[in-house]
Amino acid sequence: SQTIHQWPATLVQPVGSPLSLECTVEGTSNPNLYWYRQAAGRGLQLLFYSVGIGQISSEVPQNLSASRPQDRQFILSSKKLLLSDSGFYLCAWIRGRGTEAFFGQGTRLTVV
Amino acid sequence: TQLLEQSPQFLSIQEGENLTVYCNSSSVFSSLQWYRQEPGEGPVLLVTVVTGGEVKKLKRLTFQFGDARKDSSLHITAAQPGDTGLYLCAGAPYSGAGSYQLTFGKGTKLSVIP
Repeated sequence: SQTIHQWPATLVQPVGSPLSLECTVEGTSNPNLYWYRQAAGRGLQLLFYSVGIGQISSEVPQNLSASRPQDRQFILSSKKLLLSDSGFYLCAWIRGRGTEAFFGQGTRLTVV
Repeated sequence: TQLLEQSPQFLSIQEGENLTVYCNSSSVFSSLQWYRQEPGEGPVLLVTVVTGGEVKKLKRLTFQFGDARKDSSLHITAAQPGDTGLYLCAGAPYSGAGSYQLTFGKGTKLSVIP
């Protein structure tokens, strides 16, 4: 079965510091991978998605970037965090073309 | 842009009551999923409905996909405190540039009071 690992679970970072969140998937190859941000336990905002190594699509212009260095690895980064980057970040694997999504445990990021 | 509107946004009920939450759109989806999320965790898939008019049951939860594939409902019978959480619906588009994405609703936050 497929599993998705995301870490760390919580992170407190000062304004202006860099960020690196990592997500890895097991049990599948060539997965479609996604980064979402969720504010205050509400809806999911799609940030980036990737359909293959080195292929990144950005949905929202912002202070963040994403990379796909390996088939089953997806990284969310920032060079300088802003207060507005605080939130709950979720990595997801979506089976096929836009069908069911399987999520990591999430990372609660607080920028102080 | 495809949008999914969920209602109500918040729902607080007593244990044992029944409830229905709705997910509506003006767009047609190839399938629609329901997820449940607990605080501090990622959403977990409950069900996928694919055929217009389809009804699926998961214990006390009943899911229905609208005939026109634009809307869905989730009905919970005899709610229990363990049903508390954020319920999200998500729609999968047909083929096209956006076909790698899911459209998520903003969720219904359910609290079941013992």
